Amino acid sequence: GQQVMQIPQYQHVQEGEDFTTYCNSSTTLSNIQWYKQRPGGHPVFLIQLVKSGEVKKQKRLTFQFGEAKKNSSLHITATQTTDVGTYFCGFSGSRLTFGEGTQLTVNP
Amino acid sequence: NAGVTQTPKFRVLKTGQSMTLLCAQDMNHEYMYWYRQDPGMGLRLIHYSVGEGTTAKGEVPDGYNVSRLKKQNFLLGLESAAPSQTSVYFCASSYSLGSYNEQFFGPGTRLTVL
Repeated sequence: GQQVMQIPQYQHVQEGEDFTTYCNSSTTLSNIQWYKQRPGGHPVFLIQLVKSGEVKKQKRLTFQFGEAKKNSSLHITATQTTDVGTYFCGFSGSRLTFGEGTQLTVNP
Repeated sequence: NAGVTQTPKFRVLKTGQSMTLLCAQDMNHEYMYWYRQDPGMGLRLIHYSVGEGTTAKGEVPDGYNVSRLKKQNFLLGLESAAPSQTSVYFCASSYSLGSYNEQFFGPGTRLTVL
């Protein structure tokens, strides 16, 4: 079945540095969702992208959906310690399928 | 609104014991899901339900059973627990499977099987 690969698996940054995680598929996706999970917490929905080339921003977070709808990225500008957690992408077909996530740590 | 709740929060079982995890949602969602999360493996779908009285297998259904007798509740059962089922279990619900189907997750149940 369809799958998505997320890279990198881990990312360590200094506070104030930028961070990007990528979600890649070998097939065209109808949509992509992004979730954040804080350490010890549960996944929380961030955003959904459905249009080719779509770009959405939430404060310091920028989400992109590729023109071919096979990849997506989440970029955080000037990371803060509150950004720590694991970021998952997922796509919905008959059900939601998640990537393995990128675990972000931020050194103050 | 409480959103999605799960009971219990923690549980330790011995191999071969059985247990039921309860998920409840108060958002009138049609769709409910059970996931397990293991280190480095993301979220894997165990079973899901598209409405009261329905269930379907997900990615890793073996060793688990589910029931959705009431719309607001989704139960996950382990008939004979094995150490490989040590994991964190998350329940989620969503309004639809359509173009906008944000999933709302419960706080999780941390299960250890000895």
